[in-house]
Amino acid sequence: QKEVEQNSGPLSVPEGAIASLNCTYSDRGSQSFFWYRQYSGKSPELIMSIYSNGDKEDGRFTAQLNKASQYVSLLIRDSQPSDSATYLCAVDAGANNLFFGTGTRLTVIP
Amino acid sequence: DAGVIQSPRHEVTEMGQEVTLRCKPISGHNSLFWYRQTMMRGLELLIYFNNNVPIDDSGMPEDRFSAKMPNASFSTLKIQPSEPRDSAVYFCASSLYRGNGYTFGSGTRLTVV
Repeated sequence: QKEVEQNSGPLSVPEGAIASLNCTYSDRGSQSFFWYRQYSGKSPELIMSIYSNGDKEDGRFTAQLNKASQYVSLLIRDSQPSDSATYLCAVDAGANNLFFGTGTRLTVIP
Repeated sequence: DAGVIQSPRHEVTEMGQEVTLRCKPISGHNSLFWYRQTMMRGLELLIYFNNNVPIDDSGMPEDRFSAKMPNASFSTLKIQPSEPRDSAVYFCASSLYRGNGYTFGSGTRLTVV
């Protein structure tokens, strides 16, 4: 059974702080990893993808991948109230299929 | 690019009625996915298609659920008969190729009373 686990939330951080979101996965064969952001009442929106071990930065967002530990994380620097949302980790399960975690709700407190 | 288009946005129906949800994927995308999202279970994959062919429907909860993709630009998810426990947000998503992530539609909020 392929599983994607995310750190339990909700997570609250003050404005300007770093928010750290974590995800582990069970399938060692997974090659592609994604972070989606979902605002309340809206659809998931792709914000980051990562395929190789290490860090990938895009603006205030940094995705980190460690395949040996089967671990993916998302760091949000200088958190803003507009970052308040649920963040979903998704892992390639093969055949163009993704497994999603249950999400971590982030609240950035002004 | 109009994105993935779903209709209707909201649907309220009585138990036992047939419900049909519609999806138009992004032009050129060759994979289409139907998901259901609830507070309790999160995002659940119901079925997905590659090049209009159903690949995995193991997530379809019961025979009351069926999905079709008659061509590359249209798919339907049908529930017949509907039950209150089917109440959820149903998302359609499409992608171009493996490893590219998905683009989700705006979803259909289904309420069965």
